Amino acid sequence: RKEVEQDPGPFNVPEGATVAFNCTYSNSASQSFFWYRQDCRKEPKLLMSVYSSGNEDGRFTAQLNRASQYISLLIRDSKLSDSATYLCVVTLNQAGTALIFGKGTTLSVSS
Amino acid sequence: ETGVTQTPRHLVMGMTNKKSLKCEQHLGHNAMYWYKQSAKKPLELMFVYNFKEQTENNSVPSRFSPECPNSSHLFLHLHTLQPEDSALYLCASSHFGGRARDTEAFFGQGTRLTVV
Repeated sequence: RKEVEQDPGPFNVPEGATVAFNCTYSNSASQSFFWYRQDCRKEPKLLMSVYSSGNEDGRFTAQLNRASQYISLLIRDSKLSDSATYLCVVTLNQAGTALIFGKGTTLSVSS
Repeated sequence: ETGVTQTPRHLVMGMTNKKSLKCEQHLGHNAMYWYKQSAKKPLELMFVYNFKEQTENNSVPSRFSPECPNSSHLFLHLHTLQPEDSALYLCASSHFGGRARDTEAFFGQGTRLTVV
């Protein structure tokens, strides 16, 4: 079983749409969870951390279900600039010494 | 402007060559990482250094040799590589030892390596 699994997409949506990405992880010892964003031919950058209580940052909402080892990202009112690859990321171990990345889900928002 | 700088940005090398990738971070972090990103594959963790000590070696072939002389610099020495080693090599740094949720990694722009 892969450590972090994501639906690769691509997700092709019109502007204004709501889109949801899912992710599952295999290591129950993982303590920290993140969503990173990677634009074409650029380095990954942190989008948001994911907390057990769920967290929201503007149009973005992240949820974590530890029992199911499941993470989600919801994007509301999609913009053209949201087009990118979204990477689900978990820590390698309880010490959080390294990040393990999913393959990423590609989003394309069109006008 | 990124706080993590990688050089060179592009590298073409033959299978018998020896080259090195350099990474420098100006963020005061104490952990540094090498990742490999191949086409249509997820980012693969290669090496982890905490406080200059290697703490993770993710089954990387010995033709890749990391070096961390201090907490701000990280090298990846390359020798007798294979064409399948062609990929984007990304360096990252983070703060280790604080809250787990503060483990945000900052990436350099990467070195695009082509082995011919």
